[in-house]
Amino acid sequence: DAKTTQPPSMDCAEGRAANLPCNHSTISGNEYVYWYRQIHSQGPQYIIHGLKNNETNEMASLIITEDRKSSTLILPHATLRDTAVYYCIVIVWGVSGGSNYKLTFGKGTLLTVNP
Amino acid sequence: GAGVSQSPSNKVTEKGKDVELRCDPISGHTALYWYRQRLGQGLEFLIYFQGNSAPDKSGLPSDRFSAERTGGSVSTLTIQRTQQEDSAVYLCASSLSGGADTQYFGPGTRLTVL
Repeated sequence: DAKTTQPPSMDCAEGRAANLPCNHSTISGNEYVYWYRQIHSQGPQYIIHGLKNNETNEMASLIITEDRKSSTLILPHATLRDTAVYYCIVIVWGVSGGSNYKLTFGKGTLLTVNP
Repeated sequence: GAGVSQSPSNKVTEKGKDVELRCDPISGHTALYWYRQRLGQGLEFLIYFQGNSAPDKSGLPSDRFSAERTGGSVSTLTIQRTQQEDSAVYLCASSLSGGADTQYFGPGTRLTVL
C-alpha cells in the first residue's frame, strides 16, 4: 500500500472551514483514499473515501488532485467537537486475497478547533 | 441506525484472570474485525471474521487470545491469564461484505490489567 504524509498538527477557528492535506504520491490506480478520525478516548470514526472524483457527504468533502498524488479533507464549518486526530490512508480495492482489510494508521493530523 | 457496540466499555482485572470482550456489529454486516490500540499507538490487527469463520487470525499475539463469532453476528474476544502488557483499548469494527469494504468502529473496551 502507498504511504501517506500529513502535517502533525493544525489549528482552526470554530465556524471556519478546516482544510486537512494529505500526500500520497506513490498511490496506485486501484487504491482508494480513506479518511478516518479519532476523537480522544473514542474509536476511529469513518469520514469519507474516494478514488479520483471529489466526494461530499454530511460530514465532509474530499478533494483529490487530478494526478491523485494528494488530497484535502474539508470540514466546511468546524466545531469544537471536530477536535480530533485525522488519519488519511490508502486502501487497495479489487484484489482477491491479500490483506487489504488490515487498517493501519500513521501519525495523522491533530486538528484543534479553537473557540 | 445503530452502530457497532462493545461491552464492557471499561474493564479492570488482575493479572492472571480471564476476560471476555463483546462486540455487536452493525446489523447485516458479514465481516467483523478486532484490533488493539495501546496508549498513543496505532492500530494493531488481531483477527478478521467473515460470517462465523475466521480466515485470518494472524494478528492474535499468543495462544492466550481467542475469538469466536456466532450466528454471523456477535463476537467475543477472550484473553486468558491476562498479563500487564495486554492493557490496551480493544476495538471492534464491522463492514458490509469484507475485503477492503469500509470498516465502522465501535467505541472500544479499555482493558487495564493490574
